[in-house]
Amino acid sequence: AQSVAQPEDQVNVAEGNPLTVKCTYSVSGNPYLFWYVQYPNRGLQFLLKYITGDNLVKGSYGFEAEFNKSQTSFHLKKPSALVSDSALYFCAVRRNQAGTALIFGKGTTLSVSS
Amino acid sequence: GAVVSQHPSRVICKSGTSVKIECRSLDFQATTMFWYRQFPKKSLMLMATSNEGSKATYEQGVEKDKFLINHASLTLSTLTVTSAHPEDSSFYICSASGPMGETQYFGPGTRLLVL
Repeated sequence: AQSVAQPEDQVNVAEGNPLTVKCTYSVSGNPYLFWYVQYPNRGLQFLLKYITGDNLVKGSYGFEAEFNKSQTSFHLKKPSALVSDSALYFCAVRRNQAGTALIFGKGTTLSVSS
Repeated sequence: GAVVSQHPSRVICKSGTSVKIECRSLDFQATTMFWYRQFPKKSLMLMATSNEGSKATYEQGVEKDKFLINHASLTLSTLTVTSAHPEDSSFYICSASGPMGETQYFGPGTRLLVL
């Protein structure tokens, strides 16, 4: 069975500091991994994905994530946080099969203070 | 990126009535659409997967007669909450993926409040 774990309910960071939002996964076969962000009362916005290739994936708004197969992790990172990055972040995994649904982690609230 | 719209964005209805939510892919053909439900500060719960022209596949515990899903075209899927009750109040989000199916793009969500 597929699953995604986001061990932190909330991450607090000061503006300008680097941020990390953690994600580990469990899936049979090669995973498709995603990060989405959700602002209040909005749908999810796609940030980045890992399908294959380079383990370091760069996405929107300066975010990046590193795929680590041995640790089954896909942590989201940003070198310098902005207050506007404050939102709810979801990690998701999908089987390597078109048309299959995403399985989401429970979400991590990122709070960036000025 | 690809754009997915939902309508309405917010709806308030009386208990016992039915509500239809539309999900449209605006600039791509959505081979598959997904419907999710999200409770406050909670993750998304997959309700069903729909492929154009075929019956939706519902997740365990989701009543297919209560949550009617139609995917009549490659750009439109609808979710109808029949005989809505207060416990159906939630944030409903659709997503769509194209033929390659790699990335899902999400609609802005519909806030349903049943009185």
